[in-house]
Amino acid sequence: DAGVTQSPTHLIKTRGQQVTLRCSPKSGHDTVSWYQQALGQGPQFIFQYYEEEERQRGNFPDRFSGHQFPNYSSELNVNALLLGDSALYLCASSQTPLAGVPQYFGPGTRLTVT
Amino acid sequence: KQEVTQIPAALSVPEGENLVLNCSFTDSAIYNLQWFRQDPGKGLTSLLLIQSSQREQTSGRLNASLDKSSGRSTLYIAASQPGDSATYLCAPRPRKWTSGSRLTFGEGTQLTVNP
Repeated sequence: DAGVTQSPTHLIKTRGQQVTLRCSPKSGHDTVSWYQQALGQGPQFIFQYYEEEERQRGNFPDRFSGHQFPNYSSELNVNALLLGDSALYLCASSQTPLAGVPQYFGPGTRLTVT
Repeated sequence: KQEVTQIPAALSVPEGENLVLNCSFTDSAIYNLQWFRQDPGKGLTSLLLIQSSQREQTSGRLNASLDKSSGRSTLYIAASQPGDSATYLCAPRPRKWTSGSRLTFGEGTQLTVNP
């Protein structure tokens, strides 16, 4: 049973560019959440997708957008990259969007903005 | 706004010691709390999920307790091993349905177990 997978593993971009990160949830999961983790910090919630809609959003600007596909996989898009966007981006999936079930995380995508 | 504090920030112990990691949170209206471990540069591995109606949850050498009214959770690791070296993160989840699934993290406790 495959867990949560993310691609690519590492990415280097230049300031001002755009980037797309991808996530496939654990089998049987329909809800995907994205988190940003700066070096030495805990993860920060970006947004959550369920039924192909953004259901919750953290305190992130509109430069951060996402999408969920009918097969429950998800993309995170970041436009007009800033140096401060350099971080580990984590995807988490769960069986439902409800609070009672655990979230399972992927290995992350390390984004470096130069 | 939920704020999470984990103490200590770093801990170095000899192999075999029993140890306690502490997590405190400001908003006690939580639905549950999840403990994770994170190896350097890697994703998070779920360790335990403790519901607000529970006081303890155990998995192998790990035991998590929750005192919702005081805004505290502890993770007890028995007979620590070098393989336990990692950063440990706690994440309470709010009761409100509109934000029911979002996890709020502290900065974690970085644990080193020396052989």
